[in-house]
Amino acid sequence: QVQLVQSGSEVKEAGASVRVSCKSSGYDVSWVRQAPGQGLEWMGWINGYSVSTNYAQKFQGRVTMTTDRSTSTVYMELRSLTSDDTAVYYCARDVGGYGKFDYWGQGALVTVSS
Amino acid sequence: DIQMTQSPSSLSASVGDRVTITCRASHGIRNSLNWYQQKLGKAPELLIHSASTLQSGVPSRFSGSGSGTDFTLTISSLQPEDFATYYCQQSYSTPRTFGQGTKLEIK
Repeated sequence: QVQLVQSGSEVKEAGASVRVSCKSSGYDVSWVRQAPGQGLEWMGWINGYSVSTNYAQKFQGRVTMTTDRSTSTVYMELRSLTSDDTAVYYCARDVGGYGKFDYWGQGALVTVSS
Repeated sequence: DIQMTQSPSSLSASVGDRVTITCRASHGIRNSLNWYQQKLGKAPELLIHSASTLQSGVPSRFSGSGSGTDFTLTISSLQPEDFATYYCQQSYSTPRTFGQGTKLEIK
């Protein structure tokens, strides 16, 4: 059974960084976020071996996605946080980076306070 | 970026109704279109991929069609558990983009 298990909620000050984890069993993963009451926004993709990444232009320079192969965990770090980054952050299995998100983590709420 | 536009944004319907949601892409995306269902406070779930292929475990009352720029999601007979928000998403190019969502409510 495919399960993606994410880390818990975080509260950060504006200007800080946040790192969200996703135990993904070695699968390729995309990160998608959802601001309160809003739609879904794709942030980028990383393969299970951390060899390849593909970031949305919007987040280039501010996001880093990595994989710890020893623990089969993927990390998404977002820097220079603003209140606009307050959202639920989801990881989703995306095999081969083909853009089909067939299994999702439970989500991690990141709240940025100013 | 490819823009995805859903209509309607919200919809009221009754149990047993047939419902259709439309999604339009700003550029042709062949059949690279996925549909998701999201219930309040939960992660989205994949319903349909490649425009018309039902994801394993999804009830057959859900169906998808379309190609190019115009796509539809149809629920043939609404059940109480189908009241949720539905999103289309293109997988033709990056950045992956979603429609704004269609909220399906009980009439």
